[in-house]
Amino acid sequence: EDQVTQSPEALRLQEGESSSLNCSYTVSGLRGLFWYRQDPGKGPEFLFTLYSAGEEKEKERLKATLTKKESFLHITAPKPEDSATYLCAVQGGSGTYKYIFGTGTRLKVLA
Amino acid sequence: GAGVSQSPSNKVTEKGKDVELRCDPISGHTALYWYRQRLGQGLEFLIYFQGNSAPDKSGLPSDRFSAERTGESVSTLTIQRTQQEDSAVYLCASSPRGPPGEQYFGPGTRLTVT
Repeated sequence: EDQVTQSPEALRLQEGESSSLNCSYTVSGLRGLFWYRQDPGKGPEFLFTLYSAGEEKEKERLKATLTKKESFLHITAPKPEDSATYLCAVQGGSGTYKYIFGTGTRLKVLA
Repeated sequence: GAGVSQSPSNKVTEKGKDVELRCDPISGHTALYWYRQRLGQGLEFLIYFQGNSAPDKSGLPSDRFSAERTGESVSTLTIQRTQQEDSAVYLCASSPRGPPGEQYFGPGTRLTVT
C-alpha cells in the first residue's frame, strides 16, 4: 500500500538552530514528491516538487532533497516566521491520479 | 493574481441535511482536486477533475458524496444526508497541469455537522 510517514510529529527549535524534517514514502513508481507549508486555518502553500532521486531544490532557508526512499526538508537558521506545519505528499502508482499526504511535522521556532 | 477561492468558509448543518461546497480555481488551471482534512489527520484525496471530467473518483467515501465541474471553472462538492463523521475541513486545489503537477490550495470550508 502506498504510504507517506513524516517525522518528527512536532519540533521546537530556537531561532537560528538548523534542523531537518523527514518524509519516508512507499509508492510504486514515484512520479513526484511535494512539500507544502500549512499555517493554522489556511490551505497548504506549495514549496517544492522533486521528481527523481538525487534532486535538490532550495528556497530561502529551505532545501529539499530526495532519495529512493525518503525526502528531507532542511531548514537553515530558522526564524519564528518559519513556524508552521510542513506537509509531504507523493504522486505515483499505476492507474491512479491521487496524491498521498503525510500527517505533517508541526514546527515551532522560538525567538 | 487571484488564488483559489472556496465558499462558504464555514458551514454548520444538522445531521441529515444536504450541503454544497464551492470551489473557484485559478483561471486557466485545467486540473482540480478535492480533499478532506480531519483534525490531526493528513489530507485525504477525494476526487480529481481534468477539465470537466473526473478520471479519478476513487477517494469519494460513499455515494452520499458527489462532485461536478463546469468546464475548466467552478466545481461543487455535494454531501447528501450529512453525518457527524463528515465534519472536517474540505480543501480544493487547482493545478496548471494534471498529475504530477504542483497544487495550489484554497483556504478550505470548515464543515460542522451537529
